[in-house]
Amino acid sequence: AQKITQTQPGMFVQEKEAVTLDCTYDTSDQSYGLFWYKQPSSGEMIFLIYQGSYDEQNATEGRYSLNFQKARKSANLVISASQLGDSAMYFCAMWSSSNTGKLIFGQGTTLQVKP
Amino acid sequence: DGGITQSPKYLFRKEGQNVTLSCEQNLNHDAMYWYRQDPGQGLRLIYYSQIVNDFQKGDIAEGYSVSREKKESFPLTVTSAQKNPTAFYLCASNGVTPYGYTFGSGTRLTVV
Repeated sequence: AQKITQTQPGMFVQEKEAVTLDCTYDTSDQSYGLFWYKQPSSGEMIFLIYQGSYDEQNATEGRYSLNFQKARKSANLVISASQLGDSAMYFCAMWSSSNTGKLIFGQGTTLQVKP
Repeated sequence: DGGITQSPKYLFRKEGQNVTLSCEQNLNHDAMYWYRQDPGQGLRLIYYSQIVNDFQKGDIAEGYSVSREKKESFPLTVTSAQKNPTAFYLCASNGVTPYGYTFGSGTRLTVV
């Protein structure tokens, strides 16, 4: 079965420091992709970063980078230089070729940035 | 600008009522999806549609119904058979590649 696991229900980080949010996945498909979304209290899902299974380089988008370790089936999100506005819920999600475009989500990690 | 519009933003339902949540997209995406989110939880798939006039059940379809008569529209009806409908509902659409996945801003449904 396809599954996303986020084992950190809540995380704290000091402003301006880096933080890593963990995500492990399970799929038997060769073609798949991992997403990270940010969900503030307003509820909207904000796309942060995407990593395809065939991408050789780790994805980066500004302060966000994805530490993709295919053999370990992990896709951790690294946020550098945390800001107060980064406080939100973060979701890891997976798309796979056999799953007809559906996304499978993890349970999420609540990040709080301390001043 | 292209995007997904969900309405209303907040919806209150009395016990035994059916209510319909609207989802409209102007991205020319073929696929559309409905997800449910309970407090502090991840998203779970209710229904999805990959083409007009066709749709499939997701993981938690009981008590919900959908239609896909137009490419742009994918309304979700929460029926009285859904015993615990209070949740946040998100609509999404996608084109050819997974990179194009787009979410609406959501509808928060409360049973009163």
